[in-house]
Amino acid sequence: NAGVMQNPRHLVRRRGQEARLRCSPMKGHSHVYWYRQLPEEGLKFMVYLQKENIIDESGMPKERFSAEFPKEGPSILRIQQVVRGDSAAYFCASSRGLAPNEQFFGPGTRLTVL
Amino acid sequence: GIQVEQSPPDLILQEGANSTLRCNFSDSVNNLQWFHQNPWGQLINLFYIPSGTKQNGRLSATTVATERYSLLYISSSQTTDSGVYFCATNRDDKIIFGKGTRLHILP
Repeated sequence: NAGVMQNPRHLVRRRGQEARLRCSPMKGHSHVYWYRQLPEEGLKFMVYLQKENIIDESGMPKERFSAEFPKEGPSILRIQQVVRGDSAAYFCASSRGLAPNEQFFGPGTRLTVL
Repeated sequence: GIQVEQSPPDLILQEGANSTLRCNFSDSVNNLQWFHQNPWGQLINLFYIPSGTKQNGRLSATTVATERYSLLYISSSQTTDSGVYFCATNRDDKIIFGKGTRLHILP
């Protein structure tokens, strides 16, 4: 019974390139959440998605960042024209979306921008 | 918005010692979770505990929702308990994390 899967686990990009992070939720989960963790800090909410819908993107930077969760396939967090400040660990979580709505986390993708 | 504060920020203990980690939250909440982030960065669900007490092996947690705090107890600590412990609560379906307690268990 696979948990939340994320790939790649590590991603290195040069400034100005694009980064694509993928997340496959746990079986039976249709709700996906993305969080960012800067070094030595806690996780900060970015965006909450259901299949083909963005429910809450209040934590997402207004520029360069986008997220989707298509009908088929994984959820994608896309960062265009990366800058050094985007270097962080990006975690995906999934849930059933029903109370108590406990969220389970993937192993994270560590993005390094050179 | 809701604030989640954890104490102490750092804790160094000898193997075998017991510890208590505290989480205070600024508003009434419907749920609370404790996570362990191990030295490899993985987040592990420890407890989902909106109220009451739960135990899992050497770990237990108590949440007193009316007084807006939760406690995580680790007994007979082992070096594998090292890492960062986060408490988190849900607000409008997104989890709000505290800054964590960094625990280092010395052999």
